[in-house]
Amino acid sequence: DAKTTQPTSMDCAEGRAANLPCNHSTISGNEYVYWYRQIHSQGPQYIIHGLKNNETNEMASLIITEDRKSSTLILPHATLRDTAVYYCIVRVFGTGGFKTIFGAGTRLFVKA
Amino acid sequence: DAGVIQSPRHEVTEMGQEVTLRCKPISGHDYLFWYRQTMMRGLELLIYFNNNVPIDDSGMPEDRFSAKMPNASFSTLKIQPSEPRDSAVYFCASRRGEETQYFGPGTRLLVL
Repeated sequence: DAKTTQPTSMDCAEGRAANLPCNHSTISGNEYVYWYRQIHSQGPQYIIHGLKNNETNEMASLIITEDRKSSTLILPHATLRDTAVYYCIVRVFGTGGFKTIFGAGTRLFVKA
Repeated sequence: DAGVIQSPRHEVTEMGQEVTLRCKPISGHDYLFWYRQTMMRGLELLIYFNNNVPIDDSGMPEDRFSAKMPNASFSTLKIQPSEPRDSAVYFCASRRGEETQYFGPGTRLLVL
């Protein structure tokens, strides 16, 4: 089972920041938070990941709370092409290493 | 790098026929994953390999499904015999060690 909970859907106006929350209250100290997105049945696309410090790359920023029980993905200037399902993932340690289990994600609608 | 390559991109077959999906992971990656995505069940992890060895096949739905990885650059997912309920998008993904996982474009399977 996925170890995260996310809102089912969110709206965002084009050009504004999109802030996507994620709860991961059972996260362990050495587990990373990963974010992927999936645009209309394409393969999931990696966005960003972090452990405890805030992270930024060319796509997004990731803000992780100090207790690490939640995080927020920020798309600073959302465009129509950012409409997608966004998945917040904490990988599950299995028999042979970590495996990525997807939950339902948040469906982000960016509106003109 | 060309990324994860999957073939065919689309497959239409009749119930009872054998279906073989193919995947070429990113060079140097030692983990390979097969996922299935449907509207009802979302993205499900079927099986994953480490260094060509199957590690966890607990997600494989039934004996009609089988997966092999004969070498580090090739894997197959076979369904025999296929059924209409197997219609889905099948994704392959790969990663190196515990680093980021990357997905292929998927194979859209329709079983009539």
